[in-house]
Amino acid sequence: GNSVTQMEGPVTLSEEAFLTINCTYTATGYPSLFWYVQYPGEGLQLLLKATKADDKGSNKGFEATYRKETTSFHLEKGSVQVSDSAVYFCALYGGGTSYGKLTFGQGTILTVHP
Amino acid sequence: DTAVSQTPKYLVTQMGNDKSIKCEQNLGHDTMYWYKQDSKKFLKIMFSYNNKELIINETVPNRFSPKSPDKAHLNLHINSLELGDSAVYFCASSQVVSGYGYTFGSGTRLTVV
Repeated sequence: GNSVTQMEGPVTLSEEAFLTINCTYTATGYPSLFWYVQYPGEGLQLLLKATKADDKGSNKGFEATYRKETTSFHLEKGSVQVSDSAVYFCALYGGGTSYGKLTFGQGTILTVHP
Repeated sequence: DTAVSQTPKYLVTQMGNDKSIKCEQNLGHDTMYWYKQDSKKFLKIMFSYNNKELIINETVPNRFSPKSPDKAHLNLHINSLELGDSAVYFCASSQVVSGYGYTFGSGTRLTVV
C-alpha cells in the first residue's frame, strides 16, 4: 500500500535559518504529492503540491520538487520566520485502490525562535 | 464565513458514554471525510461520503458510525467511548472524490477520561 515517511521532529530553528523537512514515499503508479501545514488550533491547509515527476511546487517561500528517482518530496525554505512555526505534513494521493484517500506522513513540528 | 465547521471544538467525556461530532460545509462540495489524528500527530482516514453515499469505510471499530443527512453535513457518532478514542477528529470536504482540493475543518479534540 501507499505510505509516507517524514523526518522525525521536532525541528527548532532561529529566524532566517534554512529549513529542510525530508519526505519519502512508497506508492504504486504515479501519485500526486502535497505538503500541508497545520497552525496551532487550526485545521490543515494545503501549502503546495506537485502532480508529476520533476514538478516543483512553491508557495509563501516554500518549495518542494517531486523526485521520482529517489521517491522524495523534501520541503525547503531559504529563510524561516517565527510565523512559520506549525506542524508540516507530507501527503500523497495515488488514485486506484486509494480512491479519495490522502495518505499522510506523521507530521513534523517546526518551531522558529526570534 | 467558515468553509468547514465542526462542533464541538473540545469534548471531554467519560468512558462508556456515547457522543456525536457534527460537521458542516458551505462550499457546495459533494464529498466529505472524517480523519483521525492521534497523539503523535499521525492522520488517518476513517470515512468518506459522496452525495450522502458511504464510499470509504476504513478499518474502524463499529462503535464509530458516520451519518450524512445531506451532502453539506457529515456527523460522527461514537458509542461506548474508550480511552483509546482520545484524538483530534478532522472533517474535510472536496468537490469530487479525489485527493485534490481538500478543505479541512479546525478539528474536534476528544478526550476520554
